[in-house]
Amino acid sequence: QSVLTQPPSASGTPGQRVTISCSGSSSNIGSNTVNWYQQLPGTAPKLLIYSNNQRPSGVPDRFSGSKSGTSASLAISGLQSEDEADYYCAAWDDSLNGGVFGGGTKLTVL
Amino acid sequence: EVQLVESGGGLVQPGGSLRLSCAASGFTFSSYWMSWVRQAPGKGLEWVANIKQDGSEKYYVDSVKGRFTISRDNAKNSLYLQMNSLRAEDTAVYYCARDISVVTLDYWGQGTLVTVSS
Repeated sequence: QSVLTQPPSASGTPGQRVTISCSGSSSNIGSNTVNWYQQLPGTAPKLLIYSNNQRPSGVPDRFSGSKSGTSASLAISGLQSEDEADYYCAAWDDSLNGGVFGGGTKLTVL
Repeated sequence: EVQLVESGGGLVQPGGSLRLSCAASGFTFSSYWMSWVRQAPGKGLEWVANIKQDGSEKYYVDSVKGRFTISRDNAKNSLYLQMNSLRAEDTAVYYCARDISVVTLDYWGQGTLVTVSS
């Protein structure tokens, strides 16, 4: 059971907007920034969103992140078939003194 | 171009040891925290450990404390993970990653598979 809670799956049709939630606690999301990773099948994870809502160079602005209290969300607008992947949230946990990931959300583009 | 290349994975018996290496290039290795993250077959990501630029601070997930040791050699641009007393549940692909802030991992290696089985 992961410290950060994500829905195991999400889906949408091309062009739609989907959101993926990430729920934590005061020791992780509540007191630290949240990062999001995209893992395409058979590949290493890729940093998608950092510091709650910042996009690394090269990440399309279709991807956006937000945080409120002890929860965070990843939104993907204008869904494309190539967005089909696993998505993970992550944060530092001050109580555990370590990093924590969510269990991951498998996004299916219908 | 930033590159991280892991090596050292393989099949090991329960209770055995293995040392993973990560060769870094394309950036000033000594200026960055570095991390190890693992992924069991068909499962999600799990943060394992990280180490400060000069090696003076190290943090571990509880499940590996006392068994795994993270280290680095800045002169060789290399990151290591010494894994002792290995268990079946340590079976995973192990990734090394550059850590630009807490769990902000901007570059990842391709991973190396560790299989613990008799």
